[in-house]
Amino acid sequence: DAGVTQSPTHLIKTRGQHVTLRCSPISGHKSVSWYQQVLGQGPQFIFQYYEKEERGRGNFPDRFSARQFPNYSSELNVNALLLGDSALYLCASSLGQGMNTGELFFGEGSRLTVL
Amino acid sequence: GQQLNQSPQSMFIQEGEDVSMNCTSSSIFNTWLWYKQDPGEGPVLLIALYKAGELTSNGRLTAQFGITRKDSFLNISASIPSDVGIYFCAGQPPLLTSGTYKYIFGTGTRLKVLA
Repeated sequence: DAGVTQSPTHLIKTRGQHVTLRCSPISGHKSVSWYQQVLGQGPQFIFQYYEKEERGRGNFPDRFSARQFPNYSSELNVNALLLGDSALYLCASSLGQGMNTGELFFGEGSRLTVL
Repeated sequence: GQQLNQSPQSMFIQEGEDVSMNCTSSSIFNTWLWYKQDPGEGPVLLIALYKAGELTSNGRLTAQFGITRKDSFLNISASIPSDVGIYFCAGQPPLLTSGTYKYIFGTGTRLKVLA
């Protein structure tokens, strides 16, 4: 079975541009979460989607947005890129949300560099 | 962003030695997850814990959910060179506290194994 797949794996943007990152969850998983991992730190929560609805948002500016599609895949959009947005963006899927179904399975990530 | 205290920050050990690391917080959690991350890759789930006091093993790895629900511990027995990497804990706060099924990650423990 395929794991969580993310695209693109690497990308370079300049300040002010926007970016769209894509994620396909594990088959049968209905929840997708996005995390930002800056070099040398642990992942930071950005969004959680379950059954195509936003169920949680971390402490990130409105430049960050996301959505989940009927097939449970997801997109993360970041507008007006800043240098500080350079990071590894991780998508994680889970079967559900709560206990015993909320284990996160991560993709390989999308490495974003903003120049 | 919010991160859990994880210690030690890094450790060098000889092949065959046992390793212990922990994750602490001032808040309680409902679920603890432990991950291993290799350079340039996404975190890989090692162990999931759901109940205070729970002790769970996965091969040479053993993790415990602290009885106070504020900490968790990971032990690796008889370390081998492929154990090298960064280990992260992740705690899920109660839904009533966080409002979402997010996870808060630790600062990471960087493990290096000397053959």
